Amino acid sequence: DTGVSQNPRHKITKRGQNVTFRCDPISEHNRLYWYRQTLGQGPEFLTYFQNEAQLEKSRLLSDRFSAERPKGSFSTLEIQRTEQGDSAMYLCASSLPGKQGYEQYFGPGTRLTVT
Amino acid sequence: SQQGEEDPQALSIQEGENATMNCSYKTSINNLQWYRQNSGRGLVHLILIRSNEREKHSGRLRVTLDTSKKSSSLLITASRAADTASYFCATVRNDYKLSFGAGTTVTVRA
Repeated sequence: DTGVSQNPRHKITKRGQNVTFRCDPISEHNRLYWYRQTLGQGPEFLTYFQNEAQLEKSRLLSDRFSAERPKGSFSTLEIQRTEQGDSAMYLCASSLPGKQGYEQYFGPGTRLTVT
Repeated sequence: SQQGEEDPQALSIQEGENATMNCSYKTSINNLQWYRQNSGRGLVHLILIRSNEREKHSGRLRVTLDTSKKSSSLLITASRAADTASYFCATVRNDYKLSFGAGTTVTVRA
C-alpha cells in the first residue's frame, strides 16, 4: 500500500453514461497525476496538477474528459458519454518533488469497463 | 506515444536465476525509473537513476544507464517467486511527467 487510494476499484458502465473516479493522494504531496493503461501497455500520461492548478493535459484527454483537484487535495476524473475505447485502467499517482526526486507513488487504479 | 521500449517482452526463469531486461528510449532525459506492477495492481517504484549516473544498486536490483546509447538495463539477482510481475521503465524529461514503455513480463518458476 503506497498511501494513494482510488475509488471505485472497478466500474462497469454502459456506453454513453458518465463516470467519475476519485483519487486521494498522500496528504503532503502537492503533485498529482492521472495515467491511463490499456491491456499489455504501459501507463500513458493524461494530466497533472500542482496543488489545485492543472498544469498540463495530454492530447489523449479529449473534451469528454475533465479532471479537477479542488483545494489541492483529492482529485476527480470524469468521463462523459463513455465509449468502448475508454475501457482501461485509470491510475493516479502523487509526488513531492525535492528530496525524493521525481518518484511517483501510484494508487491501485480504477478499472473501467464500458459495455 | 510511448518513450521507452523494453526488451524482452516476456521472460521466464527458474527461481534463483538472474533476470535481465533492457529499456531503450528516444530523447534526452533527466532521469530514468523502473517500476514493478503485479497483475491488475498499481505500480511500485523500484529505483531511479539520474542522467549523470551510470549504475545504481538497491538490494537485489542493479540498474545501469548508458545515455550515449539511450538505454538502460535492470538486473534482478537470485529471483524469487514474488518477483513475478511486469516491469516498466519510465523516462523523465522535465520534472514531472513519466513516459513508460510497454513493459517486460517476468515469470519466476518455482
